[in-house]
Amino acid sequence: ETGVTQTPRHLVMGMTNKKSLKCEQHLGHNAMYWYKQSAKKPLELMFVYSLEERVENNSVPSRFSPECPNSSHLFLHLHTLQPEDSALYLCASSQAPVENSPLHFGNGTRLTVT
Amino acid sequence: TQLLEQSPQFLSIQEGENLTVYCNSSSVFSSLQWYRQEPGEGPVLLVTVVTGGEVKKLKRLTFQFGDARKDSSLHITAAQPGDTGLYLCAGDPSGSSNTGKLIFGQGTTLQVKP
Repeated sequence: ETGVTQTPRHLVMGMTNKKSLKCEQHLGHNAMYWYKQSAKKPLELMFVYSLEERVENNSVPSRFSPECPNSSHLFLHLHTLQPEDSALYLCASSQAPVENSPLHFGNGTRLTVT
Repeated sequence: TQLLEQSPQFLSIQEGENLTVYCNSSSVFSSLQWYRQEPGEGPVLLVTVVTGGEVKKLKRLTFQFGDARKDSSLHITAAQPGDTGLYLCAGDPSGSSNTGKLIFGQGTTLQVKP
């Protein structure tokens, strides 16, 4: 079983739909992250949860709503998205506050908003 | 705003050639990480460099952290088709308290032709 699992792998949704992305980590880490990856742009950090508390919200529009029910699970709830929100959404985990703790990424959800 | 500039953005070479990818910033980072991302997968950590002037080797890959901890390079010797992928550098800004707020470069896409 891989360390960080994301579902679904692909998602196509209309602008009026509501959907959720799921992330589960089996590494015993205590921090989880949502990143957005768009073509030719650096990975953008969206949200950080450490010990199940949100510690970072990088000015993300309210149409993205994260949820972290426990240290192993992370969700990203989506509603009334825009076409420019189409991207690869990556979940990651790490052990914090261990110095230089690397990020362990899932394989992402490829989201297309029509 | 701290930025990491990677160059080149795209590189296509023949098997057996050598190459160097650069990651530059005007800011100091407490550490720099290099990741490789293959199509359809999330980034995977290759190495972390933490000391100015540090050189680390991973088989045919050599990573160097600049003396002033503002830049890094990745050198690949005798590239192979299996090296194909997106190479990302990510910096941990000094004083970030290890909350995982990595700053990513925009990536270098490497294609190695057999």
